[in-house]
Amino acid sequence: EAQVTQNPRYLITVTGKKLTVTCSQNMNHEYMSWYRQDPGLGLRQIYYSMNVEVTDKGDVPEGYKVSRKEKRNFPLILESPSPNQTSLYFCASSGQGTWGYTFGSGTRLTVV
Amino acid sequence: GNSVTQMEGPVTLSEEAFLTINCTYTATGYPSLFWYVQYPGEGLQLLLKATKADDKGSNKGFEATYRKETTSFHLEKGSVQVSDSAVYFCALYGSGAGSYQLTFGKGTKLSVIP
Repeated sequence: EAQVTQNPRYLITVTGKKLTVTCSQNMNHEYMSWYRQDPGLGLRQIYYSMNVEVTDKGDVPEGYKVSRKEKRNFPLILESPSPNQTSLYFCASSGQGTWGYTFGSGTRLTVV
Repeated sequence: GNSVTQMEGPVTLSEEAFLTINCTYTATGYPSLFWYVQYPGEGLQLLLKATKADDKGSNKGFEATYRKETTSFHLEKGSVQVSDSAVYFCALYGSGAGSYQLTFGKGTKLSVIP
């Protein structure tokens, strides 16, 4: 089944403790992206990647890092999480010849 | 840059009522337009799309027409059901600078009551 898989689905952590949210797709898509969803703000793009080793900032990149060492994986790294990063995070992918993105099921992150 | 504006919610309708959720956009070039739906506790699913002017996207009884002259992509359904209760997002897949970015509206929450 074609899908984008994120882990974990839920995470509660403390301020300053580094964490990684993983994202993997099995569709051989070139493009991958991270979004955060907040009430009243909709979805905002954090980072995106056009292919292996090619990443760029989205609208709200501060406090996040990404890497794209393999085509299928696009982890989101929070080096020093803060409470304002409490949010629902979505990973998505898209490929040439497809329209729009396929989304993962989301990761609900709480930073206390 | 690209932007999407959709009507604020929440929207509450009775079952079998007519639904319209307005969406307008600002973009350079010729973007593709989408409606995504998010059911409670789930991720986003593509509902329908239109890739050029005057295209009509349709799925599950929902329709939206790409109107370049009014830069709009309003979502409509003739008779909503309780199972349509969800958050609906209008989105734009741009051309030109940032062409791989999917830009979303803020979402409209729809509640359908029996």
